This record gives sequence, C-alpha cells and structure tokens, in this order.
Amino acid sequence: EAQVTQNPRYLITVTGKKLTVTCSQNMNHEYMSWYRQDPGLGLRQIYYSMNVEVTDKGDVPEGYKVSRKEKRNFPLILESPSPNQTSLYFCASSSITSGGYNEQFFGPGTRLTVL
Amino acid sequence: AQSVTQPDIHITVSEGASLELRCNYSYGATPYLFWYVQSPGQGLQLLLKYFSGDTLVQGIKGFEAEFKRSQSSFNLRKPSVHWSDAAEYFCAIDSGGGADGLTFGKGTHLIIQP
Repeated sequence: EAQVTQNPRYLITVTGKKLTVTCSQNMNHEYMSWYRQDPGLGLRQIYYSMNVEVTDKGDVPEGYKVSRKEKRNFPLILESPSPNQTSLYFCASSSITSGGYNEQFFGPGTRLTVL
Repeated sequence: AQSVTQPDIHITVSEGASLELRCNYSYGATPYLFWYVQSPGQGLQLLLKYFSGDTLVQGIKGFEAEFKRSQSSFNLRKPSVHWSDAAEYFCAIDSGGGADGLTFGKGTHLIIQP
C-alpha cells in the first residue's frame, strides 16, 4: 500500500530534550515536506526537500532541522524543543515530474507536546 | 505572496441540510486548488482538486466545488450533510506545480446538528 508513515504518532517531552520525528514514504517520491498545524492557523510549511541532500526552509523553519540522506526518509529534528513547538505535525510527499502537477500525500500526523 | 482565506471559522448545519464552505485565494494566476478534510484525531484526506478544465469538480463523499476565476473563489458544497461530515475543512492552493508546498487556509470547523 502506498503511504507516508510517521513515528511516533504521539509524543510528550520536556523543554530542551532533543527529539526526532521520522517520516518515511514508499512511493519513490522526490519531494517531501513537513507542516505544522495549530488551531486557528491552519497548516504551515516548516521545511521541504526536492531530493536527496536538497533541503530548503518553508514558512516557519525556526527551531527545526531536517535531513534527507535517503530518498524515502525525511526526519524532523528538534534540537532543543520549546513549549511553542507543541503542535500537530504532518509529513507529506509527492513526485516531481515535468508537464503536470503532482499532488501531495500526507502522513497520519504526530501530536507533540513540549512541557 | 499567495494566500488563502476561509472566512468562516465555524459553521453549524442541520443534518440533511445543504452546505457551502467558502474559500478565496490570492494569487496572480490560477493556482492548483484543493479541499482537504480532517476528521477528529485523523490526518488529512483529499476531498477534491482543481487543476484545469471544467470548473465544477466532483470529489469523494458527495462533495463538489466550483472554481470561479472572476471571484478568486473555490467554494465547497454538499447537497445534504450527514453527521459523519462533522470535521475540519481546509482549502489549499499550490502555485508551483507541487515543489513549493501547499498554502492552506486556516480551516472551517463544521458542526452538524441532529
């Protein structure tokens, strides 16, 4: 089954304790991205990656890092989490081809609480 | 910069009544347009999309949306809502052919009254 998976689905942590949220897709997509969802703000893009070793900032990158060492994986790293990073996080992926749009497929979400 | 406006934060509709959720966008050309639904505790599910062609598009779960270029709108409709339609609905646009990410509206929370 084609899908985007995220782990963990739920995480409660404390301020300053480094954490990683993993994202993996099995569709051989070049493009992957991370969004955060906050009440009243909708979804906002954090980082995206066009391919292996190619990453770029989205609209709200502060406090986050990403890496793209393999095509299928795109982990989101919070080096020193703070309470304002409490949010619902979504990973998404899509293919990149010429001549047409390629819609994004979303993972199930990771609910993060930073105390 | 592109933007999406969903003017209604909450909408309450009686079960069996018709529904229209509004979405307006700001962009210099016609973007790719989407509606997503998020049920409580769930991820995002694509309801429908508009890329080009017929401006009335049909989606899953009995939803449809109409693109109106003159109004920069992409309103979502359903003729008769069911209690299971209670959810958060997001309108989104993409101007970059998938590479620049989606720009989402802030969402409309749909409440269904019995």
